[in-house]
Amino acid sequence: SQKIEQNSEALNIQEGKTATLTCNYTNYSPAYLQWYRQDPGRGPVFLLLIRENEKEKRKERLKVTFDTTLKQSLFHITASQPADSATYLCALDMSRGNTPLVFGKGTRLSVIA
Amino acid sequence: DVKVTQSSRYLVKRTGEKVFLECVQDMDHENMFWYRQDPGLGLRLIYFSYDVKMKEKGDIPEGYSVSREKKERFSLILESASTNQTSMYLCASRGGETQYFGPGTRLLVL
Repeated sequence: SQKIEQNSEALNIQEGKTATLTCNYTNYSPAYLQWYRQDPGRGPVFLLLIRENEKEKRKERLKVTFDTTLKQSLFHITASQPADSATYLCALDMSRGNTPLVFGKGTRLSVIA
Repeated sequence: DVKVTQSSRYLVKRTGEKVFLECVQDMDHENMFWYRQDPGLGLRLIYFSYDVKMKEKGDIPEGYSVSREKKERFSLILESASTNQTSMYLCASRGGETQYFGPGTRLLVL
């Protein structure tokens, strides 16, 4: 079965720096790869989606890359702020909505002022 | 904006009680999901439904059942609550590519 790994449980960075979070998967490449943000005690919120034929996607200070050869996605937050502190989850969509998403365990990001 | 609501934010129940967790979405989504989330274990899929009166087991269905009588409502039932079902329960609905989560119910079973 598909396995997904977010290789840091926690990441601390200085305000203003770029945070880079990693998501690795095994087996087949997903049709889509998604990133969610989760604040403590709340449900995850969708941030970005990247398709298998896309290399990079941007939204404001967020950038996602997708490398099907390395079986990896990188999630970048540039000019990070303390308000970016949260847990970030990656999720694989293997079949364009026909099967449930496979979620990673998340990386807890702390941006220190 | 899509809204997914859950009936309670916090719930305290006793071992052996029957527990109902309700989830309602307002976007006419066909797909709905129930997860539990525990520290170090991430999100684990309990049950999901792709249509009214339809249900599929997820990764950890034991001890749970679900009901989907109407498209907008997906209920999770703990037939006889146990202490190892103390957790954060998250409902989600999905239309197209994006999944929308409810605020979660933190359940404590004593």
